[in-house]
Amino acid sequence: EDKVVQSPLSLVVHEGDTVTLNCSYEVTNFRSLLWYKQEKKAPTFLFMLTSSGIEKKSGRLSSILDKKELFSILNITATQTGDSAIYLCAVERAGNMLTFGGGTRLMVKP
Amino acid sequence: GAVVSQHPSRVICKSGTSVKIECRSLDFQATTMFWYRQFPKKSLMLMATSNEGSKATYEQGVEKDKFLINHASLTLSTLTVTSAHPEDSSFYICSARVVLGNEQFFGPGTRLTVL
Repeated sequence: EDKVVQSPLSLVVHEGDTVTLNCSYEVTNFRSLLWYKQEKKAPTFLFMLTSSGIEKKSGRLSSILDKKELFSILNITATQTGDSAIYLCAVERAGNMLTFGGGTRLMVKP
Repeated sequence: GAVVSQHPSRVICKSGTSVKIECRSLDFQATTMFWYRQFPKKSLMLMATSNEGSKATYEQGVEKDKFLINHASLTLSTLTVTSAHPEDSSFYICSARVVLGNEQFFGPGTRLTVL
C-alpha cells in the first residue's frame, strides 16, 4: 500500500527560527515528490523533486530528496509569521497519480 | 485514521458523456469536502467547497452546471463532469475536513481522460 508520512504533525516556532519538515514515503512507481503550502484555499505548489541530492531553493525555502532512504526535507530559514501554514508533501506515481501525506501544521509566533 | 477514498481512480470516457467521481471519508465524518483540479506544472486549483446538506460553493470561473457537486451525507461527496470534453481531461482530487477541525485529508485522486 502506498504511504506518505510527514513529521512532525505540528510545530510552533518563533520568528527567525529555522525549521525542517520531514516527508518519508513508500510508493510503487515513484515519479516525483511535491511540496505544497496550504493557507486558505488551494495548496500552493512549492517544489517538485525528482533526483536525489539536488537541492531546490526558493528564497528562504529549500528542499532535497533522498531516493535511497525514501525521504525528503523542506527547510525554512529565518521564519516569518507569514510562513504559518500547513505544509503538504505528495508523491507522484506513474500515471500521474498523487498520494498526499497528512501535512505538517507550522505556526510561527512573533 | 482519517482516510479519504476516491472512486474511480482512473476513467476514460468519450466526449459528450458524463462521469461521476465519488469522494468518501472512510473513518470520520466530514462536514466539508473540497474538490481540486490539478493543472500542468503541478498547481492545484480549488474548484468548489462542498458542505453536507447544502449547495456547493463554486470558485470563480468554475461552471456549476458542468461540474455538479452533491454532498449527500457526512461521508460522501460526488463530482459529476457533465458532457465531458477533452479539455476536461485532468486529475481531480478531493479532500475532506473533519467536523470541528481544520485539517484536510486528501484523497488519492481520479485521472479523467476524455477522448
